[in-house]
Amino acid sequence: SQTIHQWPATLVQPVGSPLSLECTVEGTSNPNLYWYRQAAGRGLQLLFYSVGIGQISSEVPQNLSASRPQDRQFILSSKKLLLSDSGFYLCAWRDGRVSAGQPQHFGDGTRLSIL
Amino acid sequence: AQSVTQLGSHVSVSEGALVLLRCNYSSSVPPYLFWYVQYPNQGLQLLLKYTTGATLVKGINGFEAEFKKSETSFHLTKPSAHMSDAAEYFCAVSVAFSGNQGGKLIFGQGTELSVKP
Repeated sequence: SQTIHQWPATLVQPVGSPLSLECTVEGTSNPNLYWYRQAAGRGLQLLFYSVGIGQISSEVPQNLSASRPQDRQFILSSKKLLLSDSGFYLCAWRDGRVSAGQPQHFGDGTRLSIL
Repeated sequence: AQSVTQLGSHVSVSEGALVLLRCNYSSSVPPYLFWYVQYPNQGLQLLLKYTTGATLVKGINGFEAEFKKSETSFHLTKPSAHMSDAAEYFCAVSVAFSGNQGGKLIFGQGTELSVKP
């Protein structure tokens, strides 16, 4: 069966520091991969998605970037964190070989606090 | 373009009462629709999905949803609420990528369900 791993679970970082969040998927190949952010009391904001290695699409301009160095690895990064980057970050995957009718499957999230 | 509207950011019911969470969608093509649940500090868990076929869809934890094309709705219901149902619920519609390489979900803003003893 497929599993998704996301780490760390919580992270406290000072303003201006770099960021690297990692997400890996097991048990499938060539998945679609996604990064979302939830600000406190707000809905899900899609940040990036990827349909293959090295292929990244950005949904909103921001202080963050994403990379997909391997088929089942998705990394969210920042060179200098802002206070507004605080939030709950979720990684998700879906089977990229089938139609849009397939659901996404989510990791457990990373709670990022910027001080 | 596809979009989702969830009516009511907060819904409160008594334990044992009917749960009704409303979702309306906009889609230029036959929609694929989903309901997810999120417990505090956790990821989203799929409750149920509608793709094609039967318009009444049953999901986990006793939830079900009915696809009504004429009303562009996909409301989520549960006959009898449990305390453990307290969570945030998200409705979503699927958007296909070009080239048949999968797709992405457009989420509603979420509805927080509270269950009173």
